[in-house]
Amino acid sequence: AQSVAQPEDQVNVAEGNPLTVKCTYSVSGNPYLFWYVQYPNRGLQFLLKYITGDNLVKGSYGFEAEFNKSQTSFHLKKPSALVSDSALYFCAVRDGSNTGKLIFGQGTTLQVKP
Amino acid sequence: NAGVMQNPRHLVRRRGQEARLRCSPMKGHSHVYWYRQLPEEGLKFMVYLQKENIIDESGMPKERFSAEFPKEGPSILRIQQVVRGDSAAYFCASSLVAGIVPGTDYNEQFFGPGTRLTVL
Repeated sequence: AQSVAQPEDQVNVAEGNPLTVKCTYSVSGNPYLFWYVQYPNRGLQFLLKYITGDNLVKGSYGFEAEFNKSQTSFHLKKPSALVSDSALYFCAVRDGSNTGKLIFGQGTTLQVKP
Repeated sequence: NAGVMQNPRHLVRRRGQEARLRCSPMKGHSHVYWYRQLPEEGLKFMVYLQKENIIDESGMPKERFSAEFPKEGPSILRIQQVVRGDSAAYFCASSLVAGIVPGTDYNEQFFGPGTRLTVL
């Protein structure tokens, strides 16, 4: 069965510093991986995805993620954090069936301090 | 092109009442997914529908919950005889297709703002 783990409940980083939000996955077959961001009392916004191709995926708002097959990881990164990046981040993997349903990690709260 | 719309945004029900949550997918999207977010938890898949058909309801509780996506109108998630444990945020997502089409956004799921259900 497909699964996703986000080992950190919260990540704290100072504004201007690089940030990393970790995600590891377990899949049978090809992994289709996604990152979403959720601001308070809002829906989820798509950030980026890995389907195939380059291991470094660039997404919205300056975020990128590195797909690492050997470590089964898909960590979210940004070179320079902004206070406005503070939010809840979800990693997700597409279910192995053809339905397209997503399996989400528990979420990681990112806190960027000025 | 309006995004995925959900209403109501907030819904308060007393135990035993019925809750109806509506989702209008993006224009042209015929695939709808419902997810539930319990407090302090991630999103959990509930049901996947394609116009007039339930394709996968493996995440739906066996009792009291039902979903539909009629030919005309929004998708409805219905919870009968609500209990306190049903209090959660319910998100709807839609996509153009369900399968992967590399190099396109066709399979991307776009999420609505959610309905926050509170059961008193």
